[in-house]
Amino acid sequence: RKEVEQDPGPFNVPEGATVAFNCTYSNSASQSFFWYRQDCRKEPKLLMSVYSSGNEDGRFTAQLNRASQYISLLIRDSKLSDSATYLCVVNRGYQKVTFGTGTKLQVIP
Amino acid sequence: NAGVTQTPKFQVLKTGQSMTLQCAQDMNHEYMSWYRQDPGMGLRLIHYSVGAGITDQGEVPNGYNVSRSTTEDFPLRLLSAAPSQTSVYFCASSYSWTRNTEAFFGQGTRLTVV
Repeated sequence: RKEVEQDPGPFNVPEGATVAFNCTYSNSASQSFFWYRQDCRKEPKLLMSVYSSGNEDGRFTAQLNRASQYISLLIRDSKLSDSATYLCVVNRGYQKVTFGTGTKLQVIP
Repeated sequence: NAGVTQTPKFQVLKTGQSMTLQCAQDMNHEYMSWYRQDPGMGLRLIHYSVGAGITDQGEVPNGYNVSRSTTEDFPLRLLSAAPSQTSVYFCASSYSWTRNTEAFFGQGTRLTVV
């Protein structure tokens, strides 16, 4: 089993839709969690950290469920500019940072 | 605001050649790392450094060397290029890789080994 697993998609959604991605992790010792965004042929950029209590940044909401070992990302009112690949990142320390393979989102006009 | 600068952006090597991928950051970050990104594999950690003079291996270190003589620079050396090293390489830096700390990535180097 992979340490971090994501549905690769693609998720094709119309503008204005709400879409949610999940990411599961296998190691219960994981300490911190992030969502990164990667545009085609570009470098990853931090979208948001994921806190145990859940956190929101505008149209984006991230949740952590330690009991079931998954994190989620909810995007409301999708924009064309949200089209990208979303990477889940799980951290167990300096040498134990694991990236998921990413979930591709395509927002359609 | 340079951030993390990687050079070159593109490179084609012949099998057996060696080369150095350059990475420099101007944010005074202690932690720097190199990743490779392959289709269906996600980003995998090659080597990392927690400060000048300190480096360690990541998940896929074979065939690569690093050094960290200054806080700013963290070059990655391919010793004898192989087709399996065809990939996109990203350098990243962060104040520290802990909770709430953002990692900044360079623009990537697309390497093809023929």
